[in-house]
Amino acid sequence: RKEVEQDPGPFNVPEGATVAFNCTYSNSASQSFFWYRQDCRKEPKLLMSVYSSGNEDGRFTAQLNRASQYISLLIRDSKLSDSATYLCVVNMDSGYALNFGKGTSLLVTP
Amino acid sequence: EPEVTQTPSHQVTQMGQEVILRCVPISNHLYFYWYRQILGQKVEFLVSFYNNEISEKSEIFDDQFSVERPDGSNFTLKIRSTKLEDSAMYFCASSGFYPTDTQYFGPGTRLTVL
Repeated sequence: RKEVEQDPGPFNVPEGATVAFNCTYSNSASQSFFWYRQDCRKEPKLLMSVYSSGNEDGRFTAQLNRASQYISLLIRDSKLSDSATYLCVVNMDSGYALNFGKGTSLLVTP
Repeated sequence: EPEVTQTPSHQVTQMGQEVILRCVPISNHLYFYWYRQILGQKVEFLVSFYNNEISEKSEIFDDQFSVERPDGSNFTLKIRSTKLEDSAMYFCASSGFYPTDTQYFGPGTRLTVL
């Protein structure tokens, strides 16, 4: 069965800390990779796409290692507003459906 | 900023009843999806829809489920005879010109089956 695995956490970090999340996926045919963010009882919202060369968006850096089937997300200078569940997402074989991990919970404290 | 909208936000129904969940995707998007999330579990794909037909469906999307695009704006999910285990948050999503384009999610409909 094709799965996306994440450490569920929770990660409790102080404001200003750097935190890293990891994700592994089992489907080597996956072509698209994303990090979504989900606040409690809300919809998933795209945080960033993940590219093979790695990419950065402000305080957020994503890395992809296709050989190891591993995706990471680094958050620098954590803010209280970063508290949420971070979802690792890859596309399924067909390119239509997204396959979600269970998410990693982050709590940033003052 | 364009967004996906869903109605109702919360639907309570009795087991065995039919429910229709409604979505208005982003206006120029071509691909439409339904996902569900049972409380405490991961988001699961149900079905994708393109060019007025189902392009892919999961094993969850059995004969009790159907989708329709009755007009140029709405996209609906019908559950014919609800079961207790259908209780979940149902998210509609849409994406642009290619299936690998970013999918944007609506706020969800919380379905409670009693």
